Amino acid sequence: SAVISQKPSRDICQRGTSLTIQCQVDSQVTMMFWYRQQPGQSLTLIATANQGSEATYESGFVIDKFPISRPNLTFSTLTVSNMSPEDSSIYLCSVVEGENYGYTFGSGTRLTVV
Amino acid sequence: AQSVTQPDIHITVSEGASLELRCNYSYGATPYLFWYVQSPGQGLQLLLKYFSGDTLVQGIKGFEAEFKRSQSSFNLRKPSVHWSDAAEYFCAVVYNNNDMRFGAGTRLTVKP
Repeated sequence: SAVISQKPSRDICQRGTSLTIQCQVDSQVTMMFWYRQQPGQSLTLIATANQGSEATYESGFVIDKFPISRPNLTFSTLTVSNMSPEDSSIYLCSVVEGENYGYTFGSGTRLTVV
Repeated sequence: AQSVTQPDIHITVSEGASLELRCNYSYGATPYLFWYVQSPGQGLQLLLKYFSGDTLVQGIKGFEAEFKRSQSSFNLRKPSVHWSDAAEYFCAVVYNNNDMRFGAGTRLTVKP
């Protein structure tokens, strides 16, 4: 299965600033997903990022707040913009590969906004 | 709307006792079904998945799950729980748009 390197693993940021999270995959994958896991909560899909097209955002998430780049089949970034304490969460990227729907998750970025 | 429900927020079982975690999905077609475990401060680990075929699926760590179409359920079971099984368990579904949706999770506490 794919191996995902997600950076940074954690960060503490000041409110009003932005943080860009990187997701590097060791193989080419078409579909990548970004999730948010708020403290004590489940995972919520932010957006689907397919190479060659604009990211598709879920209800409640907008591009201005969470811009996503997908420049090639092995890399994506998620930016959390103009952060507030409510953005404190774990952010995870995920990829799916193959006909057996092997979903792999990154180790996550634990973000604290102060 | 496509959704997945885990009715139990928190379950406590004694070590050595059997375990069943419930998961129900709502959709016309049968989705692909997954169970993940997340230990505190850790990432997600896939326990098992179901696409088609035999409705009883064996996973890692002694877990199994049974797909029941008539009940739209995919419950996770383990015959004898170990203290190390204490964690958060997530049921997840994938429909034809390939994105994975998660249930709210069930927190498992294991009593000595």
